[in-house]
Amino acid sequence: GAGVSQSPSNKVTEKGKDVELRCDPISGHTALYWYRQSLGQGLEFLIYFQGNSAPDKSGLPSDRFSAERTGGSVSTLTIQRTQQEDSAVYLCASSPGFSKHYEQYFGPGTRLTVT
Amino acid sequence: GENVEQHPSTLSVQEGDSAVIKCTYSDSASNYFPWYKQELGKRPQLIIDIRSNVGEKKDQRIAVTLNKTAKHFSLHITETQPEDSAVYFCAAIFSGGYNKLIFGAGTRLAVHP
Repeated sequence: GAGVSQSPSNKVTEKGKDVELRCDPISGHTALYWYRQSLGQGLEFLIYFQGNSAPDKSGLPSDRFSAERTGGSVSTLTIQRTQQEDSAVYLCASSPGFSKHYEQYFGPGTRLTVT
Repeated sequence: GENVEQHPSTLSVQEGDSAVIKCTYSDSASNYFPWYKQELGKRPQLIIDIRSNVGEKKDQRIAVTLNKTAKHFSLHITETQPEDSAVYFCAAIFSGGYNKLIFGAGTRLAVHP
């Protein structure tokens, strides 16, 4: 079946502009996660959705970052007034979300470059 | 707070040798430990995972061991091949809820022919 998809695959933006990154999870997966990966670094947790609710936003680095999920499916991560330090690969993952079904499956990521 | 430490950060082996990557975790209530492989420019791929009710799990050339008392787990790759070259990440689930995974910093494995 179809895996997690993300768009765009690459985004170049000027400092100060807003960007929106999209994630389409695996059909039927109720849990959705956003991570950030800077060049050569590990995975930094940003936010978690269960259905349309975001019970854990603890990883969002600042109030310029926000995310929403609609219909229990597609999620959008928005970064306002982008800064150069926001440049990274933004990865989305989804999971069945049921008890003891912890496996997370990642999308290909969106490479964001802020100039 | 929750933390996962991973060692070594880089590992270089000859083709055919074994490779071992070790991780320690801080949350004693963690009960799920996956390993991901990330090739250059690609997404992380789940390669194996282990739950706290077992001490070892194998899948062909890959095995993972878990020591809950010591709070550490390891990835073992035998008969390494050049295509095993990648960055490997360990993770542990955070028992505080929400199925949140805490990742190690990664190990860059290079397998030389």
